[in-house]
Amino acid sequence: GAVVSQHPSWVICKSGTSVKIECRSLDFQATTMFWYRQFPKQSLMLMATSNEGSKATYEQGVEKDKFLINHASLTLSTLTVTSAHPEDSSFYICSARDLPRLLAGGLLGEETQYFGPGTRLLVL
Amino acid sequence: GQQVMQIPQYQHVQEGEDFTTYCNSSTTLSNIQWYKQRPGGHPVFLIQLVKSGEVKKQKRLTFQFGEAKKNSSLHITATQTTDVGTYFCAGHSGGSNYKLTFGKGTLLTVNP
Repeated sequence: GAVVSQHPSWVICKSGTSVKIECRSLDFQATTMFWYRQFPKQSLMLMATSNEGSKATYEQGVEKDKFLINHASLTLSTLTVTSAHPEDSSFYICSARDLPRLLAGGLLGEETQYFGPGTRLLVL
Repeated sequence: GQQVMQIPQYQHVQEGEDFTTYCNSSTTLSNIQWYKQRPGGHPVFLIQLVKSGEVKKQKRLTFQFGEAKKNSSLHITATQTTDVGTYFCAGHSGGSNYKLTFGKGTLLTVNP
């Protein structure tokens, strides 16, 4: 399947600093990427949809000025947590949308999202 | 907005027993996807169901999509310790935003 990488895999920072997380689709182009946040033992909560070449679409309750998203190319989206505070500590996961691919016999493959390995952020 | 309910929240079984998790959406879905997340890991795509009443199998896993395209289930036959993890369903309601709404997940633990 398609591969999505995320960097860094974990980060510890002091309160008030900014942290940038990168999400890359390694073997396909992704016009759309998604950023999720997952607190311990909870489900994935969509934060924003990142579209290449345009502004991100944020979910209700997510501060766009705090969580800056940039999708400058078809293979890279970045999430910057500005002025991080302890309550921002979480597991941040990106996913990249892979369009249906034409398979042998003219069949269309499935469209799905491939997830990165996640970034664990701890703000002290 | 769209909601996806998933039950049970936890399920503990003896190795060899069967396991089922259920998802129910508040709205009709375009498709539903299932993911598995191992402890400490990230979600891994398992399967996508698109058609009403669709049933798909992957070895010991059976996935169903309801006739009304609002509910789905994942059934594991004869669980193994390698099946441990949280299973999430994620519904896609259609439209150009391609957003997925995740259920809360079912944490499966298997006693060897």
